[in-house]
Amino acid sequence: DAKTTQPNSMESNEEEPVHLPCNHSTISGTDYIHWYRQLPSQGPEYVIHGLTSNVNNRMASLAIAEDRKSSTLILHRATLRDAAVYYCILGDMNRDDKIIFGKGTRLHILP
Amino acid sequence: GAVVSQHPSRVICKSGTSVKIECRSLDFQATTMFWYRQFPKQSLMLMATSNEGSKATYEQGVEKDKFLINHASLTLSTLTVTSAHPEDSSFYICSASRVHDRFGSGTRLTVV
Repeated sequence: DAKTTQPNSMESNEEEPVHLPCNHSTISGTDYIHWYRQLPSQGPEYVIHGLTSNVNNRMASLAIAEDRKSSTLILHRATLRDAAVYYCILGDMNRDDKIIFGKGTRLHILP
Repeated sequence: GAVVSQHPSRVICKSGTSVKIECRSLDFQATTMFWYRQFPKQSLMLMATSNEGSKATYEQGVEKDKFLINHASLTLSTLTVTSAHPEDSSFYICSASRVHDRFGSGTRLTVV
């Protein structure tokens, strides 16, 4: 499995944008970049995914480097409810594939 | 709403007893389901892959006789923790074969 590297933790002030980085220098051509987050005492929640182009949805934006070796999850205006562990995961879109989680980034939101 | 339902959300059991956790796919058929375990402040660890109608595939180091998995239908997989001990206390999470929105809400198991 292609490996990702994320900072262990980050802090941000409430109502400010948050940029969560992910490095994936060994990404293959068919790997999508997926982001999940896990709120305290809950199962992981899908956030966003992309292949080459930047992506936006109601939760976040995903900026993908031109060489695809890194990506950034952008929360445009963080709220206290965004405090969670964010996981950057690589893989194709095969629904039967298992997801292997790294350590993720624990995001703290300061009021 | 949730498309993968996990039950119970929390359970407390006595040491030596067995506990069953259910994972249901609500509006789709899941040929494959996955079971994870998560200890406090740690990431999710994949325990096993459950395939409908066949034996589960366990990850290295996971005792198949202790963690019994049954995937008898396309919408239900169960994980039974047999002869539970306090060290089995953990957060157990299932997921089903969907591209996204695949995870249950988790089961907090406490063995006393």
